[in-house]
Amino acid sequence: KAGVTQTPRYLIKTRGQQVTLSCSPISGHRSVSWYQQTPGQGLQFLFEYFSETQRNKGNFPGRFSGRQFSNSRSEMNVSTLELGDSALYLCASSLETVETYNEQFFGPGTRLTVL
Amino acid sequence: DAKTTQPNSMESNEEEPVHLPCNHSTISGTDYIHWYRQLPSQGPEYVIHGLTSNVNNRMASLAIAEDRKSSTLILHRATLRDAAVYYCILRGRSGGSNYKLTFGKGTLLTVNP
Repeated sequence: KAGVTQTPRYLIKTRGQQVTLSCSPISGHRSVSWYQQTPGQGLQFLFEYFSETQRNKGNFPGRFSGRQFSNSRSEMNVSTLELGDSALYLCASSLETVETYNEQFFGPGTRLTVL
Repeated sequence: DAKTTQPNSMESNEEEPVHLPCNHSTISGTDYIHWYRQLPSQGPEYVIHGLTSNVNNRMASLAIAEDRKSSTLILHRATLRDAAVYYCILRGRSGGSNYKLTFGKGTLLTVNP
């Protein structure tokens, strides 16, 4: 079974631009969660999408948004990029929502650099 | 919000047991305790989870204190492949119906041959 895939793996943007990251979950998984990982803040939960709806949300500004398609693939969008948005963005999938299911499978991440 | 505290780093020798501690003194009664580990240049990998009772699986054991304010991940025989950053995570509700996952800073485990 193929694992979680994320594209692109590396991305360089400039301040003020917007960016869209993509995540393909494991086949059959209905939940996709997004995380930001930085050296200073560590791993932080952004949000979860389940059955095409945002189910849970962390403490990030509205510039961070996402969506999920009917095939469970998910995209995350960051608008008006700031230098502090430079991070590794990880996507994780699970069979059910994080509210009830315990094991998430992570992708390799997208390394975003904002100049 | 509940928080987790972990030592920044720990060191072990190959084939010896390793005890990785996590403090979560503000845990709520319904928060689950999860452990994930992250190998270099990879996404995190699930290790184990529990609520109140001690848990065992093929990878590790999880010992949860009776008051649930701390837990310990136990690797029974460390191997070089176990060298990773280990994260202690709380999963539970955060106001209203919103669920939240709170990560610790992680413990970098070094395994010496």
